[in-house]
Amino acid sequence: GAGVSQSPSNKVTEKGKDVELRCDPISGHTALYWYRQSLGQGLEFLIYFQGNSAPDKSGLPSDRFSAERTGGSVSTLTIQRTQQEDSAVYLCASSSPVVRETQYFGPGTRLLVL
Amino acid sequence: GNSVTQMEGPVTLSEEAFLTINCTYTATGYPSLFWYVQYPGEGLQLLLKATKADDKGSNKGFEATYRKETTSFHLEKGSVQVSDSAVYFCALNQGNKLVFGAGTILRVKS
Repeated sequence: GAGVSQSPSNKVTEKGKDVELRCDPISGHTALYWYRQSLGQGLEFLIYFQGNSAPDKSGLPSDRFSAERTGGSVSTLTIQRTQQEDSAVYLCASSSPVVRETQYFGPGTRLLVL
Repeated sequence: GNSVTQMEGPVTLSEEAFLTINCTYTATGYPSLFWYVQYPGEGLQLLLKATKADDKGSNKGFEATYRKETTSFHLEKGSVQVSDSAVYFCALNQGNKLVFGAGTILRVKS
């Protein structure tokens, strides 16, 4: 079956612009996660969605970052007023309700802020 | 909070050599432990996992045993191949998220 998909695969933007990154989880997976992978910070958790519950936003680095998940499926991560330090690979993962601890990752979106 | 420490790389080996990548963790309670692999230009793939003490996870010739007494989850493979060249991440689950180590680059020469 299809894995987690993300779009775009690459995004180049100018400092100060807003960007939206999209994630399509595996069908039937109720949990969805966003992580960031950068040279200086490694892999960092950003946000977690589970069904209709309030998301765990504890990893979002600033209020310029937000995410939503519509209809319990597709998620969009939005970064407003991008800064150069936002340059990173943004990874999305999902997990099933049966084995929630095992997360399956998408290929990532590589974001470069000039 | 919980944390994961991996041996620094890069690790460079010849084909058919024995591989060990060390991973230790600090955690409250007994988290599940994971090894993920990232091949060049690709996303993270789950390699193996163990959910309780003394469990051994294995896949594609790789193994790791959950050692509670030493808080370790070292990755081993008896004979590496060039195709194993990748970045390997050790991780544990902390509530709703994974906590990752810094990653270890493995380079296998033919």
